[in-house]
Amino acid sequence: GNSVTQMEGPVTLSEEAFLTINCTYTATGYPSLFWYVQYPGEGLQLLLKATKADDKGSNKGFEATYRKETTSFHLEKGSVQVSDSAVYFCALTTTNDYKLSFGAGTTVTVRA
Amino acid sequence: DTAVSQTPKYLVTQMGNDKSIKCEQNLGHDTMYWYKQDSKKFLKIMFSYNNKELIINETVPNRFSPKSPDKAHLNLHINSLELGDSAVYFCASSQNGGNQPQHFGDGTRLSIL
Repeated sequence: GNSVTQMEGPVTLSEEAFLTINCTYTATGYPSLFWYVQYPGEGLQLLLKATKADDKGSNKGFEATYRKETTSFHLEKGSVQVSDSAVYFCALTTTNDYKLSFGAGTTVTVRA
Repeated sequence: DTAVSQTPKYLVTQMGNDKSIKCEQNLGHDTMYWYKQDSKKFLKIMFSYNNKELIINETVPNRFSPKSPDKAHLNLHINSLELGDSAVYFCASSQNGGNQPQHFGDGTRLSIL
């Protein structure tokens, strides 16, 4: 089956620090990969996606590259802000899967 | 212009009661989902529907009964609520099921007293 392993948190950073959240996956078939973000008290928002090997998804200064050889999709941001404090979820789905398989989520807190 | 809307946002009720959560999407998607998020933030699929037909029922107790009257709606009815049902329930939708991003509602926070 499909599964996602995500770096455990919580992660606490200072503003303007570099953020990396590791994500690796196992999948039957060819997956599409996603990062979702959940701000406090809110629902999940799609942050970025990649649908094939070597694709780079990017949004709001965040980036992640689909690495088939290492089955990874690590999330990075070069300079975080307090407003980036949230829970980040790595997820995947495959053709005819009809569900997202999520990692456990990583709580990120950015301090001023 | 809300894409996926679910009601109510908060639901506080007593053990043993029956309650419903409604979900509607205006994105024209043909696939809808219910997910449960537990107190540790872990998200797990409960049900998925494609064109009003049940595709996934992920070992959910039969006290939970989803109903999809049309492609734009997927409601969740829960009978005989138990303490362990306390969670946040998210509705989502996508186009054509697999390999597509899913769009989520804001969640319904269910608390059982």
